[in-house]
Amino acid sequence: EIVLTQSPGTLSLSPGERATLSCRASQSVSSSYLAWYQQKRGQAPRLLIYGASSRATGTPDRFSGSGSGTDFTLTISRLEPEDFAVYYCQQYGSSPPYTFGQGTKLEIK
Amino acid sequence: QVQLVQSGPEMRNPGASVKVSCRASRYTFTNYAINWVRQAPGQGLEWMGWISPYSGDTKYVQNLQGRVTMTTDTSTSTAYMELRSLRYDDTAVYYCARELNWALDSWGQGTLVTVSA
Repeated sequence: EIVLTQSPGTLSLSPGERATLSCRASQSVSSSYLAWYQQKRGQAPRLLIYGASSRATGTPDRFSGSGSGTDFTLTISRLEPEDFAVYYCQQYGSSPPYTFGQGTKLEIK
Repeated sequence: QVQLVQSGPEMRNPGASVKVSCRASRYTFTNYAINWVRQAPGQGLEWMGWISPYSGDTKYVQNLQGRVTMTTDTSTSTAYMELRSLRYDDTAVYYCARELNWALDSWGQGTLVTVSA
């Protein structure tokens, strides 16, 4: 089973700043199989990025994904108030098909 | 746009069963797999399993094997997740989600299942 480790656990930033979230896999992951989600309190997760770097429909262009192999990054170029939430990375593999990272909480400083 | 609407909250005693539904609309139901993901209070996301509405094929996470069954009814575009022998640590919000490009692109609103005596 591929384990995804996200860092930091909590990131405290101010609106307008740049956010960099990391997701490290215990084994190499195909870039096609790496996704990022945003979850706000009391809501279902929302797909932001798939295929490591492709924005899902409706994802603002301040969100970008990058990386390959075992290291992947979600970058938010300029934080808006609505971006403060929990972010999860997810990989698709063989057994089990899907695993998630433990999440990074992005909070207002 | 794509809609997945889940059934309402449930409360069960330990040892009982629960069946959660997920009705899909605004897309061709049989063209996309449905996944189930759960989230215990204050915790992260746990993938539970997957079903193909087209073939009926399923795959479950190992630690739920024998307790979970996922089915679909293509006549009503509805997916179901049944969990048996409920334990206190099954208390969680249960989500259905559509699979596209090896990611989960549309999610239901979630169903809270509470296991309590």
